Amino acid sequence: DAGVIQSPRHEVTEMGQEVTLRCKPISGHNSLFWYRQTMMRGLELLIYFNNNVPIDDSGMPEDRFSAKMPNASFSTLKIQPSEPRDSAVYFCASSLAQGHTEAFFGQGTRLTVV
Amino acid sequence: AQSVSQHNHHVILSEAASLELGCNYSYGGTVNLFWYVQYPGQHLQLLLKYFSGDPLVKGIKGFEAEFIKSKFSFNLRKPSVQWSDTAEYFCAVTRNFGNEKLTFGTGTRLTIIP
Repeated sequence: DAGVIQSPRHEVTEMGQEVTLRCKPISGHNSLFWYRQTMMRGLELLIYFNNNVPIDDSGMPEDRFSAKMPNASFSTLKIQPSEPRDSAVYFCASSLAQGHTEAFFGQGTRLTVV
Repeated sequence: AQSVSQHNHHVILSEAASLELGCNYSYGGTVNLFWYVQYPGQHLQLLLKYFSGDPLVKGIKGFEAEFIKSKFSFNLRKPSVQWSDTAEYFCAVTRNFGNEKLTFGTGTRLTIIP
């Protein structure tokens, strides 16, 4: 298996633009997580899905952020409109079991909003 | 909600020194515990995990961790570090039921001096 695949790896965008980050979890995994990592705040859980259903989105910073998982093999994290303070590395991770086994992380998307 | 504390923010050691990184969690019930490593510019990778059984867990690259339930701790150890161990280390916990999210500590940056 290729692991968790995220795209793009790097994204530079202007403030106010819409940004869409993509994630393909490991086949057969039924939990998917979106994390944001910054120097100031460390690793933050934004939202997680189980069987394509959002379970906990309490970490989503504000209404500008939204996440979807239309099927078991694809998820998106959208920021609209983007702001410079959204600059971070965004990681997607997936895990196998409902009761939570280890999570496997993607390579991340480094987002820079200028 | 559970929380994870890593009190060592930055540790600097010489090669061949012994390592112990602290991790404490707040939840009193049954938990699953993890240590992840993030090498510079890379994604998080699992070092080791504890679900049940022997509280002394062996992981990859010579790392081990000991679960001490009475102390709510899961400290990471390595008897002799190498320059290649330079990375950030994250402790994580999840409660052992239902759709539980993985909660990470703030991470410990380890720098090994050759």
